[in-house]
Amino acid sequence: ETGVTQTPRHLVMGMTNKKSLKCEQHLGHNAMYWYKQSAKKPLELMFVYNFKEQTENNSVPSRFSPECPNSSHLFLHLHTLQPEDSALYLCASSQGGSGGELFFGEGSRLTVL
Amino acid sequence: LAKTTQPISMDSYEGQEVNITCSHNNIATNDYITWYQQFPSQGPRFIIQGYKTKVTNEVASLFIPADRKSSTLSLPRVSLSDTAVYYCLVGATMDTGRRALTFGSGTRLQVQP
Repeated sequence: ETGVTQTPRHLVMGMTNKKSLKCEQHLGHNAMYWYKQSAKKPLELMFVYNFKEQTENNSVPSRFSPECPNSSHLFLHLHTLQPEDSALYLCASSQGGSGGELFFGEGSRLTVL
Repeated sequence: LAKTTQPISMDSYEGQEVNITCSHNNIATNDYITWYQQFPSQGPRFIIQGYKTKVTNEVASLFIPADRKSSTLSLPRVSLSDTAVYYCLVGATMDTGRRALTFGSGTRLQVQP
């Protein structure tokens, strides 16, 4: 248990579906992140939020739309995805203002048919 | 941010000490070195962080030479449960709050009985 909870753990969707991934952190952190991990590839940073404000968008296609309503919750809205978007999507949080550790959730395994 | 280079994979046996070296030739003066461990289908987990010389905690040691262009993660007496991918990150700084967010390819450690 890392204090970062992701739902759903597994998701299968068609290319025309709209779905959302949810992340909640119970650690009192003020920064949250989305990472993508495809098979046999390094983790790719997608988005960074500090105090609910997006501070980094790592050239992510617009079919991925993040939302951060407060410092404890982070969503990733998915729309018209491609099969190559199938991956493990990992959420992380950290205490802003320090160089310490990232706390990751267990991930949401997404399959796009 | 400093680019890191690690061996793709390593093999070991239970009870042995394992040393994984990471090269980071263009590390900046204020950069810290952070190591994470990742099991299949889980998010990475923080292992250890250091700036120079040696850092030790309950699970690992981190050796950093004077020039800081490399670092070595040392796992004493590994067990089968240490089979995982190990990532070296460089770039977190305590004073500016900038943290290491870019993961490389990591080192896949396989521990045999």
